[in-house]
Amino acid sequence: DAGITQSPRHKVTETGTPVTLRCHQTENHRYMYWYRQDPGHGLRLIHYSYGVKDTDKGEVSDGYSVSRSKTEDFLLTLESATSSQTSVYFCAIMRESYEQYFGPGTRLTVT
Amino acid sequence: GENVGLHLPTLSVQEGDNSIINCAYSNSASDYFIWYKQESGKGPQFIIDIRSNMDKRQGQRVTVLLNKTVKHLSLQIAATQPGDSAVYFCAENPGRRALTFGSGTRLQVQP
Repeated sequence: DAGITQSPRHKVTETGTPVTLRCHQTENHRYMYWYRQDPGHGLRLIHYSYGVKDTDKGEVSDGYSVSRSKTEDFLLTLESATSSQTSVYFCAIMRESYEQYFGPGTRLTVT
Repeated sequence: GENVGLHLPTLSVQEGDNSIINCAYSNSASDYFIWYKQESGKGPQFIIDIRSNMDKRQGQRVTVLLNKTVKHLSLQIAATQPGDSAVYFCAENPGRRALTFGSGTRLQVQP
């Protein structure tokens, strides 16, 4: 357990609405990640952060933005949710030894 | 479960038998590999890792083997138990602090 929490754990929203998911860590790790998990695709990286205000895109970043204003929080925003963004979203941290640890996930449904 | 695909390869074993889960990775530059276990409704859980300067690493009831020549990774679970039933993912790190995940294998343990 790496002290990672995600909120909300479940959300249903309508197409076109903005959505923000929050990841919170308690261990002050520099690297944080957002992944999505879909049937047939495994875990795919959306964005990651390597420090406060330092972020980079992953392989499926279109339609998503992130922000990291303090070490412990990493926010994922869907500016205008689409049905293709229905997924389970996982946050992760990376320790200095390269091990990544995951949060419990957020199940997002876009109707 | 909500987090896994409908078409995952499945390995079915009897309780007490040994299990071997295989993974082919894609990037010959990858120097670090991790195996994760994911139970229904939960985030991926770190099991064991291995660096590219090793070909074998043992943990508690688990062994990871790495064959760099053919880019193959395997996870061996000794004396498989019902609690080992889950989806198992391998992940590789091609050197940029972000993991690339395989699509997973479902392990079913028959009592």
